[in-house]
Amino acid sequence: EAGVTQFPSHSVIEKGQTVTLRCDPISGHDNLYWYRRVMGKEIKFLLHFVKESKQDESGMPNNRFLAERTGGTYSTLKVQPAELEDSGVYFCASSHPPGTTFYEQYFGPGTRLTVT
Amino acid sequence: AQSVTQLGSHVSVSEGALVLLRCNYSSSVPPYLFWYVQYPNQGLQLLLKYTSASTLVKGINGFEAEFKKSETSFHLTKPSAHMSDAAEYFCAVPLYNQGGKLIFGQGTELSVKP
Repeated sequence: EAGVTQFPSHSVIEKGQTVTLRCDPISGHDNLYWYRRVMGKEIKFLLHFVKESKQDESGMPNNRFLAERTGGTYSTLKVQPAELEDSGVYFCASSHPPGTTFYEQYFGPGTRLTVT
Repeated sequence: AQSVTQLGSHVSVSEGALVLLRCNYSSSVPPYLFWYVQYPNQGLQLLLKYTSASTLVKGINGFEAEFKKSETSFHLTKPSAHMSDAAEYFCAVPLYNQGGKLIFGQGTELSVKP
């Protein structure tokens, strides 16, 4: 079974540019989560999809961040325009529906975003 | 609000020594608790999970953790450290009523000296 994949692994962009991160969850996982770790801080929740619907986007920092999950498969997270404070590692995770595996989430390797 | 605190951002042990990584959760007793590990250049991997079935939980690679309600703790231990255990470890609690999103501790980086 293929794991969660993320692309790109690294991205270096200038302030004001746009970047799109992609996450491919494990096949069959309805739940998809995005998290972010800013250097020196804890990993923080950004948002949660159930299939193609946004279940919870309470962690999204501001309206420069836009997440989509068309068709309930892969997800993209777009940052437009990027600011310096957006630098960090963005993780994606997926899981089965609650109640089946105690909310165990499978994580991708992350995308390291550097905004200069 | 639920919170998780990991004491010590960096822990260094000698190979063969006991590993003890500390995790305390907020007083609202969570149904579940997780420990994740991140090896260099890899994603987070579930090490073990507490699901109330047993207070002593055994995980992969010889790690175990004990849930202690009286101390609101879920410390991670391994009797004998191996060089390959060098990684960053995260304690996390899923929010049962909020879609299972995870609240993480700050992470503890474990170094193992030869």
